[in-house]
Amino acid sequence: EVQLVESGGGLVQPGRSLRLSCAASGFTFDDYAMHWVRQPPGKGLEWVSGISWNSGRIGYADYVKGRFTISRDNAKNSLYLQMNSLRAEDTALYYCVKGVNPVGWFDPWGQGTLVTVSS
Amino acid sequence: EIVMTQSPATLSVSPGERATLSCRASQSASSNLAWYQQKPGQAPRLLIYGASTRATGSPARFSGSGSGTEFTLTITSLQSEDFAVYYCQQYNNWPLTFGGGTKVEIK
Repeated sequence: EVQLVESGGGLVQPGRSLRLSCAASGFTFDDYAMHWVRQPPGKGLEWVSGISWNSGRIGYADYVKGRFTISRDNAKNSLYLQMNSLRAEDTALYYCVKGVNPVGWFDPWGQGTLVTVSS
Repeated sequence: EIVMTQSPATLSVSPGERATLSCRASQSASSNLAWYQQKPGQAPRLLIYGASTRATGSPARFSGSGSGTEFTLTITSLQSEDFAVYYCQQYNNWPLTFGGGTKVEIK
C-alpha cells in the first residue's frame, strides 16, 4: 500500500522559514515524480511545486517561486519543501502527492501537514 | 497559465439522481484533465484522468468526457457517499492548475 506521511508543519512568524518532509513507502520512489499541493483553510487546491524522479525537472507556481525549494532524496524515499520568507497567505494544509510524471495527475495524496504563518 | 473554471459552485441533487459537473479551461488542455473527490477532513482522491479514464477503485457511476477546453464529470444515480467537493485539474503544462471546485450537496 502506498503511504505518504508529511511532517514539519507548525506555527511560524511571517518572514521565517520552515522545512516540510514527506516519507514515502509502498512503491518504488525513484520511479515517480513527486509534488506538493496546498489547500488554504476553507478554500480550494493549489499546486505548489513538482520534481521529476531524478530531480532533473523542477517547477514552481509563481506565488512561491524564489521563496520555496523542492528536493528529494531517493536513497531515503523522501521529499522535501524548504519554505523561506513565509507570508500569511502561505497558511495552508500542505499535501505530498505522487505523480505519474512531472506534468501529470496526482495519486495518491498524503494526509497533509498544516502550516500556519502568523505573528 | 491555464485557468480552470468549474460550474456550478454548488449543485443540489437528490440521492439516486444524476449530477453533471462542468470544467472549462482558458486554453486547450487537450485530454490532460483529471477529476478529484474531496470529503470533509479528508485528502482528495483521484477519480478520473485522461479526461475519461476511471482511476483504480473509482466506481462505474463516475464518468468523464470532453477535450480541449470543455470537460464534464457525470455521476449517475448519486449515492450518499458521493456528496463531496469535486475538483478538476489540468496537466497539459506547468503550472498545473485546479478549478475552484463544485460542492455536490443533498437536496
